[in-house]
Amino acid sequence: SQELEQSPQSLIVQEGKNLTINCTSSKTLYGLYWYKQKYGEGLIFLMMLQKGGEEKSHEKITAKLDEKKQQSSLHITASQPSHAGIYLCGAVTGTASKLTFGTGTRLQVTL
Amino acid sequence: GAGVSQTPSNKVTEKGKYVELRCDPISGHTALYWYRQSLGQGPEFLIYFQGTGAADDSGLPNDRFFAVRPEGSVSTLKIQRTERGDSAVYLCASSLRAVNTEAFFGQGTRLTVV
Repeated sequence: SQELEQSPQSLIVQEGKNLTINCTSSKTLYGLYWYKQKYGEGLIFLMMLQKGGEEKSHEKITAKLDEKKQQSSLHITASQPSHAGIYLCGAVTGTASKLTFGTGTRLQVTL
Repeated sequence: GAGVSQTPSNKVTEKGKYVELRCDPISGHTALYWYRQSLGQGPEFLIYFQGTGAADDSGLPNDRFFAVRPEGSVSTLKIQRTERGDSAVYLCASSLRAVNTEAFFGQGTRLTVV
């Protein structure tokens, strides 16, 4: 079965700093989703990457997919307190539509 | 509604009881998924519906778990003879199609078995 490893597991950054979260898969990535979750809430869709080399941006968040490395990265520029939460990557497993998720990266942004 | 709606938001039940969790997907979304999330973990896949049929139920942990989607819209996850280990947040998601489309999640139902 596919496994996703996220690093770091937790991160504390000062407001205004940049940060990167990585998601590495044990198998070939057919598609990669990034979600954000706040405690006690559902998952908020951030981005979906489908092709190797694909890069997407939304506001201050950029995600890239490196198919060869079976890895995706999420980069936040000039972090704000509103970015705090748990970031989860989810991978499409083969031709199935179900997602396998990583264990998440907990981000705290300090003032 | 505008998003995926799950009810109840919280459910406390006694060990051995039967529970039903409801998911109302985004209108027009043909694909519906159930996931279970334990504390400190990412969501784990349970079952996926395409229309009314369960296309993949490989994630259901045992035969105490069952889900239906009789009219291709609302889905109900049913758990019989609940055990303390069933305590988790149960998340529902829907997407317009099954493949390569955004999946939108509900707020989840927090199930606690005492």
